[in-house]
Amino acid sequence: SQQGEEDPQALSIQEGENATMNCSYKTSINNLQWYRQNSGRGLVHLILIRSNEREKHSGRLRVTLDTSKKSSSLLITASRAADTASYFCATDDPGGSYIPTFGRGTSLIVHP
Amino acid sequence: DVKVTQSSRYLVKRTGEKVFLECVQDMDHENMFWYRQDPGLGLRLIYFSYDVKMKEKGDIPEGYSVSREKKERFSLILESASTNQTSMYLCASKRDSPSGEKLFFGSGTQLSVL
Repeated sequence: SQQGEEDPQALSIQEGENATMNCSYKTSINNLQWYRQNSGRGLVHLILIRSNEREKHSGRLRVTLDTSKKSSSLLITASRAADTASYFCATDDPGGSYIPTFGRGTSLIVHP
Repeated sequence: DVKVTQSSRYLVKRTGEKVFLECVQDMDHENMFWYRQDPGLGLRLIYFSYDVKMKEKGDIPEGYSVSREKKERFSLILESASTNQTSMYLCASKRDSPSGEKLFFGSGTQLSVL
């Protein structure tokens, strides 16, 4: 089954800096979602971008989608220590069953 | 506030034991999922259910079974636990929609099989 791949695997920045994470996938998608996971907890949905959208914003989050390159990026602006978490992209099964499959995630550490 | 509740946060079992992981959602969602999460491997789908009494295998169903007798409850069963099933187990649910919907996750169960 299709799986997105996040890049980089780990990212370490200072508070106030921007954090950019990328996701690449293999086949066509219905939509792409980004999730956040605090250590040892479940995932929390951040944002969903549909295949006919190119950019979406939510607070300090900006997501772009380039279907021609089969890639997406998540930008967190003005990062805070509380943004420290793992971030995952998930893509829908293109076969139509709408089952999200996940990448391995990017571990973000924001130093105060 | 919408909720997906997993019955245990931490569980320690012995090899060969039968293990039940329970998940309950209060959002009347049609679809429910069980994933396992291991370091460096991300989330892998074990089983999912799109309706009561309906189930489909995911990517790694071997060694697991599931039960969905009621819409709100989806149980994962390890018939005979083995050490390689030590993992974080995550339950999730979502509405059934052709346009795609977000998943709601439980807090996870960290299972250790000794």
